[in-house]
Amino acid sequence: AQRVTQPEKLLSVFKGAPVELKCNYSYSGSPELFWYVQYSRQRLQLLLRHISRESIKGFTADLNKGETSFHLKKPFAQEEDSAMYYCALSIMNTGFQKLVFGTGTRLLVSP
Amino acid sequence: NAGVTQTPKFRVLKTGQSMTLLCAQDMNHEYMYWYRQDPGMGLRLIHYSVGEGTTAKGEVPDGYNVSRLKKQNFLLGLESAAPSQTSVYFCASRYSGENEQFFGPGTRLTVL
Repeated sequence: AQRVTQPEKLLSVFKGAPVELKCNYSYSGSPELFWYVQYSRQRLQLLLRHISRESIKGFTADLNKGETSFHLKKPFAQEEDSAMYYCALSIMNTGFQKLVFGTGTRLLVSP
Repeated sequence: NAGVTQTPKFRVLKTGQSMTLLCAQDMNHEYMYWYRQDPGMGLRLIHYSVGEGTTAKGEVPDGYNVSRLKKQNFLLGLESAAPSQTSVYFCASRYSGENEQFFGPGTRLTVL
């Protein structure tokens, strides 16, 4: 079955520290993965998608098919990075594309 | 270009009451989705639509109905609200040629 696992509910770091939010997936097809971010009481916004291979707000994520992972990384966390982060897997189900979301990781960056 | 909008932003219902949540998008997207967001459970798909006049069930459809009479609007109905439906509801849409979904601001619903 398709599944996205984000093992950490909460990740708390100090400003300037490196951050890694873990995401593992299970999918028999060719995966397309996304990271969405949700700032306090706001809508979800796309942060990254693996096919674009770009860095947004200093964040990067590399798809590792061998480890079935798509971890989100940032070398130096900022207070404004505090938010909820969701990893999502795009799958085809009966001819229809949908996103399967992980349970999310709350990142808290303290001064 | 407002993107995806949702009304209302907040609502409190009593058990057994009914209501409709409205989602509207001005991007001419074919696909629209309704999710609920609950602590520790991420986002779960309630219903979705691949085009005007078509709807289908997602992971957690029980207790909800939907309609897509116009391409730009996707309505989510609760016929008889229950406390278990207390949640934040998000609507999303996407263009058929892309997998990125665009989300609305959410509706916070409390059922007493």
